[in-house]
Amino acid sequence: DTGVSQDPRHKITKRGQNVTFRCDPISEHNRLYWYRQTLGQGPEFLTYFQNEAQLEKSRLLSDRFSAERPKGSFSTLEIQRTEQGDSAMYLCASTRPGGGYNEQFFGPGTRLTVL
Amino acid sequence: QQQVKQSPQSLIVQKGGIPIINCAYENTAFDYFPWYQQFPGKGPALLIAIRPDVSEKKEGRFTISFNKSAKQFSLHIMDSQPGDSATYFCAASFQGAQKLVFGQGTRLTINP
Repeated sequence: DTGVSQDPRHKITKRGQNVTFRCDPISEHNRLYWYRQTLGQGPEFLTYFQNEAQLEKSRLLSDRFSAERPKGSFSTLEIQRTEQGDSAMYLCASTRPGGGYNEQFFGPGTRLTVL
Repeated sequence: QQQVKQSPQSLIVQKGGIPIINCAYENTAFDYFPWYQQFPGKGPALLIAIRPDVSEKKEGRFTISFNKSAKQFSLHIMDSQPGDSATYFCAASFQGAQKLVFGQGTRLTINP
């Protein structure tokens, strides 16, 4: 257990429904990342927060996706009007403050299945 | 240019053997190269990482070899054990970007 928690661990939804995932990073970590991992592939970057500011968004993050990190603590990732292609594992990671490269600690992920 | 290519896709080794996983990159701005280990149902966990100012780094049974001119790096696992069976991902990043660009992954099986 890395200390990064994600909820729910599994979500099954019907196409067209909205879903929201939550990530709780390690408490002193100010940077938070969302990645998407499809079966047999490596994680792909979606977006990144430093404290409450969303600093970068991938082109993979279509208009149906939105992420927030109110008060720089937990983060939520919402997918509106889900499509079957959204089925994937959604991973959250966090790093501690400081310059240079700090290890990204990953949560266990939320597995989304869109029927 | 953002891609990291990883091979092989899967690898089966007998216990005690030395599996080698290779990665190649194009973007010369990359200057941080970590390897992650992922078990089923878990998120990736950092195994070992290297910067391009060194050609090799060892941590326990895990070694990264780095060839800057060829833009390639590899992971070697010495005295492999069945507990090392997992999916391994190479990744790359560069200063200011923070995000990791991952390879496609290698599913490693160590037979007893």
